[in-house]
Amino acid sequence: GIQVEQSPPDLILQEGANSTLRCNFSDSVNNLQWFHQNPWGQLINLFYIPSGTKQNGRLSATTVATERYSLLYISSSQTTDSGVYFCAVGLTSNDYKLSFGAGTTVTVRA
Amino acid sequence: DAGITQSPRHKVTETGTPVTLRCHQTENHRYMYWYRQDPGHGLRLIHYSYGVKDTDKGEVSDGYSVSRSKTEDFLLTLESATSSQTSVYFCAINQAGGPWDYTDTQYFGPGTRLTVL
Repeated sequence: GIQVEQSPPDLILQEGANSTLRCNFSDSVNNLQWFHQNPWGQLINLFYIPSGTKQNGRLSATTVATERYSLLYISSSQTTDSGVYFCAVGLTSNDYKLSFGAGTTVTVRA
Repeated sequence: DAGITQSPRHKVTETGTPVTLRCHQTENHRYMYWYRQDPGHGLRLIHYSYGVKDTDKGEVSDGYSVSRSKTEDFLLTLESATSSQTSVYFCAINQAGGPWDYTDTQYFGPGTRLTVL
């Protein structure tokens, strides 16, 4: 199956700081999504971004499919950004199944 | 939240007992998925369904079975629970975009925390 590596595994930020999370994957994909798992365990879909760049408020994401990586940017971080960020990839022709990375745990301190 | 509920939300059981987890959706989505989440592994696909009575295995299917007798319900069964199946179980649906919307997004239920003693 497709291998997904996320880095860094852990990130500690001071409130207001910016950060970049990285997702590398081992094979061609046409389905890439970023998720945030909040401290209460709920998984929230942030972006569907198989290629290109998208922005949603203080979050943005870029995927370079030809080079097999995606980046998630958090700007002006807030304590509510804390949690685990997952990258997941797959092929829509493969019943939309996703392979998840192990996640990046982000802690934002006030 | 795409109208996904899971039951029970928490369960403690003993080794060797059967356990069934239920996922219920209200928006008529075709694709449904069961994942387990364990520290250091992210989420791993157990089984999935692409329609009523149509199911297939994921990467960690041993010891689990599923059934989907109607669109809205997807059941995950542990025939004889083991301590290695202690985990948090998530159900998800795939929400595909319309004819002019090339997006395919997964949405997750709230999860079920299962402890096997």
